[in-house]
Amino acid sequence: EAGVTQFPSHSVIEKGQTVTLRCDPISGHDNLYWYRRVMGKEIKFLLHFVKESKQDESGMPNNRFLAERTGGTYSTLKVQPAELEDSGVYFCASSQEVGPRDIQYFGAGTRLSVL
Amino acid sequence: AQSVSQHNHHVILSEAASLELGCNYSYGGTVNLFWYVQYPGQHLQLLLKYFSGDPLVKGIKGFEAEFIKSKFSFNLRKPSVQWSDTAEYFCAVTANFGNEKLTFGTGTRLTIIP
Repeated sequence: EAGVTQFPSHSVIEKGQTVTLRCDPISGHDNLYWYRRVMGKEIKFLLHFVKESKQDESGMPNNRFLAERTGGTYSTLKVQPAELEDSGVYFCASSQEVGPRDIQYFGAGTRLSVL
Repeated sequence: AQSVSQHNHHVILSEAASLELGCNYSYGGTVNLFWYVQYPGQHLQLLLKYFSGDPLVKGIKGFEAEFIKSKFSFNLRKPSVQWSDTAEYFCAVTANFGNEKLTFGTGTRLTIIP
């Protein structure tokens, strides 16, 4: 069974440009999460989809970030325009059930470098 | 809101040494506790978890962790490390009567010297 896949693995862009990150969850997982790790700091929650609906987007830093999950399958996270402080590793996770004891399965992350 | 502290940022050990990585959480209620690991170039994967019951939990690859409620701690241990344990380790919690979003510590980078 394929795990959570993220694309690209690494993206280098200039400040002011747009970048789109993609996440393909494990097949059949309705729940999809985005997290971010800024260098040296903790991995922080960004948002949670249940199928195509945003269940919780309380961690989204500002309106330069737009997450979508059309059709309830893969998700994209777009940053427009990118700023220097957006650099970090963006992780995607998926899970089958919903709840604080549900196991989230993570991808390898996308390393975003904004120059 | 809960928070997690991992005291060691970078730990360097020789093969066969014993390992203990610290994790403390801050939350007034019941929590669920997780250790995740990320090997170089790979995805973040679950090492072990604690929900309730026996406070000593065993995970994959010979790792174990002990939940000490009075100390708000969930330290990760392994009696004898191998070079292949070189990775970054993350402690995380969810609040038992909260939602499913994980709160992570800052991570501990473990380097094993052959």
